[in-house]
Amino acid sequence: EPEVTQTPSHQVTQMGQEVILRCVPISNHLYFYWYRQILGQKVEFLVSFYNNEISEKSEIFDDQFSVERPDGSNFTLKIRSTKLEDSAMYFCASGAESYEQYFGPGTRLTVT
Amino acid sequence: QKEVEQNSGPLSVPEGAIASLNCTYSDRGSQSFFWYRQYSGKSPELIMSIYSNGDKEDGRFTAQLNKASQYVSLLIRDSQPSDSATYLCAVNKDTGNQFYFGTGTSLTVIP
Repeated sequence: EPEVTQTPSHQVTQMGQEVILRCVPISNHLYFYWYRQILGQKVEFLVSFYNNEISEKSEIFDDQFSVERPDGSNFTLKIRSTKLEDSAMYFCASGAESYEQYFGPGTRLTVT
Repeated sequence: QKEVEQNSGPLSVPEGAIASLNCTYSDRGSQSFFWYRQYSGKSPELIMSIYSNGDKEDGRFTAQLNKASQYVSLLIRDSQPSDSATYLCAVNKDTGNQFYFGTGTSLTVIP
């Protein structure tokens, strides 16, 4: 069964460094999402992406964040200058329709 | 006001019983409603989606939607220990692809 994959599974970085989190969505899916979940808290929407552009973004998704679909298969989330409070699990999700989402296993980001 | 509210629990039920999970949402324009299951340390897994008032059944799971009361529920019949997880309610507004999740209800099924 096809699934969303994410790399790395765990990323440790120093405050102020740039990180890129990578996702490979399910191949025929058209809708892509990034979420984060701070430990013990709820899943928070960051951004949705469709037709090679951002369709929605939350207040969390400020200028420090960007997304790209560089090669038709990968979907990346870049955080330009990480802060301690960016430490969280980051989930990528994809869907063939706008109302469905299949989540990847997540990348745990630790900012020290 | 929170977009999606759930009782955080924990909710404990004996094996074989019915577990009832509830969710309310604030935006009356919301159109799509989802229940996800999240095991500790894992990603959310879609269980059910519901779009119109009434009940929707899938195996041991039944989702119920009441848009007038802005209320969504999930019933799990014949609960199994493997159902022990956190159940997340998610809501999609009437436009766009932005989804709001509740904080989740922790369910423990006691053998």
